[in-house]
Amino acid sequence: GENVEQHPSTLSVQEGDSAVIKCTYSDSASNYFPWYKQELGKRPQLIIDIRSNVGEKKDQRIAVTLNKTAKHFSLHITETQPEDSAVYFCAASKAGGGADGLTFGKGTHLIIQP
Amino acid sequence: DAGVTQSPTHLIKTRGQQVTLRCSPKSGHDTVSWYQQALGQGPQFIFQYYEEEERQRGNFPDRFSGHQFPNYSSELNVNALLLGDSALYLCASRQAGSGNQPQHFGDGTRLSIL
Repeated sequence: GENVEQHPSTLSVQEGDSAVIKCTYSDSASNYFPWYKQELGKRPQLIIDIRSNVGEKKDQRIAVTLNKTAKHFSLHITETQPEDSAVYFCAASKAGGGADGLTFGKGTHLIIQP
Repeated sequence: DAGVTQSPTHLIKTRGQQVTLRCSPKSGHDTVSWYQQALGQGPQFIFQYYEEEERQRGNFPDRFSGHQFPNYSSELNVNALLLGDSALYLCASRQAGSGNQPQHFGDGTRLSIL
């Protein structure tokens, strides 16, 4: 089955700096890669996703890049703000037939230092 | 527009008991997935339901079973509870359709086994 590795487990950055979280996946058939943000005691919330036919996607301060050859994808957050502090999870799945259960990484605890 | 709703929010059981958790998908969604999130870990895929059938299953024993009703709501049943079943159980729903549709999570049910 699919295996998703996520690094680092903890990331501390100064407010205003950029943060990068990296993930690798094992199954070359995976074609959908969402990122979720989970604040303490709350539900995971989708912040951005990318499909395998696209190399990069941006949404304001957030961007995701995908390298299918190397089987890795990354989340980039620019101009970090205190409200960006949370645990971030990457995930991977395969499309089609209703069989797209997500395989998650172990998460990155992002700490924004004032 | 109601999002994904889960009940109950918290539950305490003892070893050996059985439990049923409930999920109502977001309006317009017809595919429901269940995930187990242990403390400090990423969610782990249990199974996915579409058209009242289990379409995909993760690496969980058959003590974990589910059901989807004609109105798309779903139940997760766990028999013979173990201490290790203590976790946050998350339900996610999405629209069916070609390609991957984003999965949206509920707030979860916190299950504690004594």
